[in-house]
Amino acid sequence: EAGVAQSPRYKIIEKRQSVAFWCNPISGHATLYWYQQILGQGPKLLIQFQNNGVVDDSQLPKDRFSAERLKGVDSTLKIQPAKLEDSAVYLCASKVQLSGRYEQYFGPGTRLTVT
Amino acid sequence: SQQGEEDPQALSIQEGENATMNCSYKTSINNLQWYRQNSGRGLVHLILIRSNEREKHSGRLRVTLDTSKKSSSLLITASRAADTASYFCATELNDYKLSFGAGTTVTVRA
Repeated sequence: EAGVAQSPRYKIIEKRQSVAFWCNPISGHATLYWYQQILGQGPKLLIQFQNNGVVDDSQLPKDRFSAERLKGVDSTLKIQPAKLEDSAVYLCASKVQLSGRYEQYFGPGTRLTVT
Repeated sequence: SQQGEEDPQALSIQEGENATMNCSYKTSINNLQWYRQNSGRGLVHLILIRSNEREKHSGRLRVTLDTSKKSSSLLITASRAADTASYFCATELNDYKLSFGAGTTVTVRA
């Protein structure tokens, strides 16, 4: 089975610019997550989707971050405008919605550097 | 907020030795999961232990869970160079969200 795909893998932008990340989850996985992982830390959940609806976006800085999951498949995460502290790896993960299956499958991440 | 905390932050061992890392958490959980992250890569799920389980094995991995102490340990036996990675514990509450710790960086020396 194909894994979670993310693009781009790397992105360098200047502060105050905009950037967008794309994620294609594993086919059939209803739940999709975006995480932010700052160097030396564990992933921090930004937003959780169930199909195309938002389940939890309590930790998403909504003044600059937005995310959508049209048609309940692919998802995009946008930052506008970026700040220096947004430099991190942005991970997308998906999870199958089956009883007894709890593990999340992660993509390779997008490494963002804001200069 | 991140619920899990791993200890130690870093661990360096000789190939063939065992590696043990611990995770403590704060609130009641549905299950606890361990993930591995190789440098520059995404996380890979290793093992899950439910709140009503005390010990679980998977290949060279052994996980214990003590819900009274709110702690878990991950043991990797007979370590290999390929085990060099960061290891994260993640606690799942009843809402399918994972809360990750800061991780333990393991270096296996040849």
